[in-house]
Amino acid sequence: SQQGEEDPQALSIQEGENATMNCSYKTSINNLQWYRQNSGRGLVHLILIRSNEREKHSGRLRVTLDTSKKSSSLLITASRAADTASYFCATDYSGNQFYFGTGTSLTVIP
Amino acid sequence: NAGVMQNPRHLVRRRGQEARLRCSPMKGHSHVYWYRQLPEEGLKFMVYLQKENIIDESGMPKERFSAEFPKEGPSILRIQQVVRGDSAAYFCASSPPGQQNEKLFFGSGTQLSVL
Repeated sequence: SQQGEEDPQALSIQEGENATMNCSYKTSINNLQWYRQNSGRGLVHLILIRSNEREKHSGRLRVTLDTSKKSSSLLITASRAADTASYFCATDYSGNQFYFGTGTSLTVIP
Repeated sequence: NAGVMQNPRHLVRRRGQEARLRCSPMKGHSHVYWYRQLPEEGLKFMVYLQKENIIDESGMPKERFSAEFPKEGPSILRIQQVVRGDSAAYFCASSPPGQQNEKLFFGSGTQLSVL
């Protein structure tokens, strides 16, 4: 399976703290993306990082990519209660489909 | 510009009935993807379609499941003779031409419950 794996499965932090989630995958990729899913809703695209990039920022989000280790991390700084959601990484290697990981469930306690 | 629209939001079927799930992509989007999500799991790819063409159906079960994206109208995911194991959330996503590798826009999903 090409599916990515997020780690940890669940994460609980206090508001204002940083949250770090990791994603590992199995094959060479064209790009890697992170999505957020609020309970009972569809996924929302957060950020894309290409295989030739090592780090990318978007607001309070910071994504890193290590293609030699086939891993990526998502850092959310100064977390807010509204960041409570599940976070998924998705990899694209075939051009036809995205493979989603199993997700990290983040709870930010006010 | 309305987002990806899926209906119905919730669908209840008895075993053996048919389920039809509809997806209208965002305006201007020509690529549609269907995913299935079981509780506490990630999304599993089912099928990727362009207008009037199935591009990749490697994630579709061999029997009872079919998908189409006609020239006019929404994309349809059809499940015949549903079984309890088909109970899941089904998400549709779309992407604009030329950007199908880069970003998916998701609908809110259809929750299928099979009694």
